[in-house]
Amino acid sequence: GQSLEQPSEVTAVEGAIVQINCTYQTSGFYGLSWYQQHDGGAPTFLSYNALDGLEETGRFSSFLSRSDSYGYLLLQELQMKDSASYFCAVRANNAGNMLTFGGGTRLMVKP
Amino acid sequence: DVKVTQSSRYLVKRTGEKVFLECVQDMDHENMFWYRQDPGLGLRLIYFSYDVKMKEKGDIPEGYSVSREKKERFSLILESASTNQTSMYLCASSLSGQYYEQYFGPGTRLTVT
Repeated sequence: GQSLEQPSEVTAVEGAIVQINCTYQTSGFYGLSWYQQHDGGAPTFLSYNALDGLEETGRFSSFLSRSDSYGYLLLQELQMKDSASYFCAVRANNAGNMLTFGGGTRLMVKP
Repeated sequence: DVKVTQSSRYLVKRTGEKVFLECVQDMDHENMFWYRQDPGLGLRLIYFSYDVKMKEKGDIPEGYSVSREKKERFSLILESASTNQTSMYLCASSLSGQYYEQYFGPGTRLTVT
C-alpha cells in the first residue's frame, strides 16, 4: 500500500513564504499531486510533479525528489485567502494509478 | 469551466435506510470517482469508474455500491446506512489517463442517526 505524511497544521504570516512537506512510501510511483481545499469547499487541483525538480505556477511552486520520496508545496507572498487545507496525493501503479491522499495540512495565514 | 455537481449538500438518514448520492459532470470526462473525507484521514477512494457500466473498487468499498448508466452521471449507494458512514462524500471526475488532475464536486455531508 501507500503511506503519506504531511504536517497537520502550519501557521504563517501574511506576505511570508511557507513550505508544506510531504513524504511518501509507495512502490511503482508515478507522480505527486497537490490540492487546495478551503473550508466548506471542494478540493481544487494545484500541481502535479512526475519528474524531479521544481514546477512554478505563479505564487505557488511544487518540488519533487523521487530518490528521497519527498515533495513540497511552496507558497510565496502569502495572502489571507491562502488559508486552507493542502493535500498531497501520490499516483502509483500498485494502486491502479489511482490517487492516494495524505491527511492534509491546515494552513493558517495571520495578518 | 469543469463543473461537477452533487445532488445534495446535506443529508440526514436513519440507520438501515438505503441512501443514493448522485454526481453529474458536464465535461465529458471518462473517469469518475467517489471519495469519503474524514478529519485527519484525507480523502479515501470508495469506487472508481472509467467508463459507462464499468467500476473498480477503491480502498474502502465495503458497505457501498455504485452505478454508472450514463457517462455524465455516477451514483453512490449505501445499501443499509450505518452510523460509521457519517462523513463528507466527494465526487470527482477526470479525463482518461489524467488521474492526477481531478475535478471535485462540492460534497455531500451525510449524517446517519
